[in-house]
Formats: sequence, structure tokens, C-alpha cells
Amino acid sequence: GAVVSQHPSRVICKSGTSVKIECRSLDFQATTMFWYRQFPKKSLMLMATSNEGSKATYEQGVEKDKFLINHASLTLSTLTVTSAHPEDSSFYICSARSLPGSPLHFGNGTRLTVT
Amino acid sequence: DQQVKQNSPSLSVQEGRISILNCDYTNSMFDYFLWYKKYPAEGPTFLISISSIKDKNEDGRFTVFLNKSAKHLSLHIVPSQPGDSAVYFCAANEIQGAQKLVFGQGTRLTINP
Repeated sequence: GAVVSQHPSRVICKSGTSVKIECRSLDFQATTMFWYRQFPKKSLMLMATSNEGSKATYEQGVEKDKFLINHASLTLSTLTVTSAHPEDSSFYICSARSLPGSPLHFGNGTRLTVT
Repeated sequence: DQQVKQNSPSLSVQEGRISILNCDYTNSMFDYFLWYKKYPAEGPTFLISISSIKDKNEDGRFTVFLNKSAKHLSLHIVPSQPGDSAVYFCAANEIQGAQKLVFGQGTRLTINP
């Protein structure tokens, strides 16, 4: 089946630094990828829709200048958390579809801890 | 505004019995529904889906039922196995448009031997 790879799986950074998370579709091309965030014991909240070759579409309440999304190719989207703060600590997950209308396939997520 | 709701945060079922996980939604534009299974520190894994033109979809031990008039769906797992212990998320989207998935809060299923 379709595989989505996310890297790194875990990262610890100091407050004020930036962290980049990569999401790759390994065996299919994805014109659209989705970035989710999960708080402890909470649902997965959609942060933004990443569109290849164009600007990402952010959900209401998500700071686009803080969470920079780049979808430079059909197999790679990156999420950069800029000037990270402890409240940004969370589990970030990317996802993509191999075909329109097919189920989303998720990466294994990135646990970000900001100290 | 929680468009997809899973009102049971946890469920405990004995091995071999049926597990029933419930999900309600409010957006009548949703026409595609999915169930995902999630282990700690991993991304969700797709289990089964159903489109709004059906009221039942079955795949092995997993069956999803959709009641459009009640805006309710459920996932049945029978027989339940210890490996089924995980958090189950219900999700919904519109097949047309942005196709964004909206997730419920999840239900932690524990299968007791």
C-alpha cells in the first residue's frame, strides 16, 4: 500500500530555535499533503493543506508565519516550526492520498519537545 | 465546533466478544467516512471506510455501519483480539472540494484476555 515517511520521529529543541519536519510519499506522487497536530488525549487537528508548487492553505487559528510549509515536489512537503516555544510541543503528523478520493495515508508522526 | 464526535473516550471488551465504537457527525455535507487505528507515537493507520451511498461495509472482522438520517456511524470488531487494543479515530470528509479529513476525539479500546 501507499507509504508516507516522516522524519524525524522525535526532536528536542531549545526555545527560540526552528525545527524542520519532512514528509515524503515513497511510492506515489502527492499534489496535496495535509499536516495535522495532536495534543495529548485530543483529536488530530488539521493545521494546513500543503499544495505542490503553490502556497499552503492554513486552517483558522494556525499562524502561517510560525508554521512554514513548503511543498517543493510531488513527493516532499516540509513543515518548519519557527521560533519554537514550549507550547509548540506536540505530535505533528503528515498525510497524503495516492489517488483522489482514496483514504489518507499517514506518516508515523514527529514528537516535538521544546525546552 | 466539533463536527465529528466520539463520545466514549474509552471502551473495554473481553477477547472474543464484539467491540462497538460509535461516532456522530453534524455536517450534512460529509459523504465519506473512515476509521483509523492509532498506536502511541505512531501515525494513524487506515482501517475501513464507507461512502454515504452505502449503509454497511465489511472487511474481515471489521464492519462499519452508517445511519445517515441519524448522522451516526459505528465500527464493529468481531471477534475482538488483544492486538486490537489501540485508539480508534472516526473521520469524515467531503469527497468533492478540499477533501480535508475531520477527526473525532478518539476512543481508546482495550481488549482484555
